[in-house]
Amino acid sequence: AQSVTQLGSHVSVSEGALVLLRCNYSSSVPPYLFWYVQYPNQGLQLLLKYTSAATLVKGINGFEAEFKKSETSFHLTKPSAHMSDAAEYFCAVGGIQGAQKLVFGQGTRLTINP
Amino acid sequence: EPEVTQTPSHQVTQMGQEVILRCVPISNHLYFYWYRQILGQKVEFLVSFYNNEISEKSEIFDDQFSVERPDGSNFTLKIRSTKLEDSAMYFCASQAAGATDTQYFGPGTRLTVL
Repeated sequence: AQSVTQLGSHVSVSEGALVLLRCNYSSSVPPYLFWYVQYPNQGLQLLLKYTSAATLVKGINGFEAEFKKSETSFHLTKPSAHMSDAAEYFCAVGGIQGAQKLVFGQGTRLTINP
Repeated sequence: EPEVTQTPSHQVTQMGQEVILRCVPISNHLYFYWYRQILGQKVEFLVSFYNNEISEKSEIFDDQFSVERPDGSNFTLKIRSTKLEDSAMYFCASQAAGATDTQYFGPGTRLTVL
């Protein structure tokens, strides 16, 4: 079975500050890992994904995440927050074969203070 | 850029009524999914569909739920007799082929059961 834990349901940072959203996973098989973003009244948009290639993954909008197997973590970072980054962020884990059920974390709401 | 579309954006129904939620996946995608998000909770997997049959379903996806791809383009989720607890945002997703491919999500249908 697979599961995801996102530490912190709400994170607030100042514009220009570092963004760090935490995600830990549990998986009995090698996982694929994803970060999705959800803007108000919109669907889920993929930010980045780890599919067993490079452990440091770069995504859209300046976000990146590092897969750390020893820590079972896949934390999302961005060096400098922008007002437009305010949204809900979801970490998800999926299998590596065939139809890929995604298991999502609870989500982290990111607020950017001016 | 191709996108997944869903109709309607909001559906209000009476308890016990049947509802059909519609999705148009991205053309040439092979895997299709339904997820739901109850207000304030995490996104949950309902069902995956490949090669005209269900690949996997969650415990939520009981006999009241069914999926169909009636005409090769639409992908529908039917709830036969809605319950109050079916009120949620329902997301459709499609995926090109293998597990490394991105699942693209639609904007969702908000179902309200009264």
